[in-house]
Amino acid sequence: DTGVSQNPRHKITKRGQNVTFRCDPISEHNRLYWYRQTLGQGPEFLTYFQNEAQLEKSRLLSDRFSAERPKGSFSTLEIQRTEQGDSAMYLCASGPWSTTGFYEQYFGPGTRLTVT
Amino acid sequence: AQTVTQSQPEMSVQEAETVTLSCTYDTSESDYYLFWYKQPPSRQMILVIRQEAYKQQNATENRFSVNFQKAAKSFSLKISDSQLGDAAMYFCAGSNQGGKLIFGQGTELSVKP
Repeated sequence: DTGVSQNPRHKITKRGQNVTFRCDPISEHNRLYWYRQTLGQGPEFLTYFQNEAQLEKSRLLSDRFSAERPKGSFSTLEIQRTEQGDSAMYLCASGPWSTTGFYEQYFGPGTRLTVT
Repeated sequence: AQTVTQSQPEMSVQEAETVTLSCTYDTSESDYYLFWYKQPPSRQMILVIRQEAYKQQNATENRFSVNFQKAAKSFSLKISDSQLGDAAMYFCAGSNQGGKLIFGQGTELSVKP
């Protein structure tokens, strides 16, 4: 078990370009979460999956953002037509199924996006 | 809606001393969980301690303990015998049954040798 991994770790792109990030959760974790963290702020929830089903999306997730988890394993987060305001750290977390209602989350190292 | 507030942007503590980080939360849920996460300069978020709202007993993990005051909606973190490795950004967070975390703004803790 190598933990949650995210690729790439850093991405620099020009405004208007599309970018895609990948998250590989801990194996057998059926819950996967995406958060966005801007400098000096706490992470903000974007969306989460249970297996391949996307169960909730934040209002922060505009129509330029799309997330998938096609086989219930890895997930991708795509941002179309990037804007400078999209510059942030994008964090992924995964967690096991719970019968107690408590869902522990294990975070990856994040992907830092810079839009120039 | 759920909100989490940390009113201390920065805190400082002398090595081996004790420090308390403050957090207040607000939720309409009757069943929820509260957490403290640590984010060192390498930026990987690590769970420090958690508290189930239905439990009256305060959680403890080695040098870390919480003071959970349900009526006052307060959830503070006490770090005893502070070590240099405790220096990091600390985030208070809450979640309901759905599991998504709502984070506070963070408190940057520095530890002086």
